[in-house]
Amino acid sequence: AQRVTQPEKLLSVFKGAPVELKCNYSYSGSPELFWYVQYSRQRLQLLLRHISRESIKGFTADLNKGETSFHLKKPFAQEEDSAMYYCALKAIGNTPLVFGKGTRLSVIA
Amino acid sequence: GAGVSQTPSNKVTEKGKYVELRCDPISGHTALYWYRQSLGQGPEFLIYFQGTGAADDSGLPNDRFFAVRPEGSVSTLKIQRTERGDSAVYLCASSLGPGGDSPLHFGNGTRLTVT
Repeated sequence: AQRVTQPEKLLSVFKGAPVELKCNYSYSGSPELFWYVQYSRQRLQLLLRHISRESIKGFTADLNKGETSFHLKKPFAQEEDSAMYYCALKAIGNTPLVFGKGTRLSVIA
Repeated sequence: GAGVSQTPSNKVTEKGKYVELRCDPISGHTALYWYRQSLGQGPEFLIYFQGTGAADDSGLPNDRFFAVRPEGSVSTLKIQRTERGDSAVYLCASSLGPGGDSPLHFGNGTRLTVT
């Protein structure tokens, strides 16, 4: 079975500091990885996905198959980045997304 | 356009009662998902519909839980003989299709409290 692990429940950083939210996964096949974000009082929404190899709101994430990781990074944190971040994995085929437990990012002014 | 709509936003019920939670997906989205989120946890998969049929119901915890999507649009999650452990936020999401190219669009959720 697939599993997504986000080891940090809470991550606090100062504004302007670099951010790295860790995500490790367990899956024997070739996964699709995603980051979803939930801002205060808003619904859960897609932030980025590894197949797009894009930068969204300054965030990037690289799939490292050797380390089975998909860490989310941003060089300079902003206060508006404060939110819950969920890493998610999709296995091959018509399978549902499997989510990690989430990391709460708090950016301190 | 309108996003995924879930009603009610909050539901308080007594242990043993029956509840129905409704999800109205984005128009044209063929895939619909139900997730459950307990405090401090990530969304936990319950069931997934492709059109009218349940493509994967492996996440339903037991036979007290059932979901339908009779016309391939609105879906209802039904919970019989509710227990305190059923208390959680129930999330619905829809997507254009089941593939990873179609991101999930989530509703605001229904917060169920069983007393």
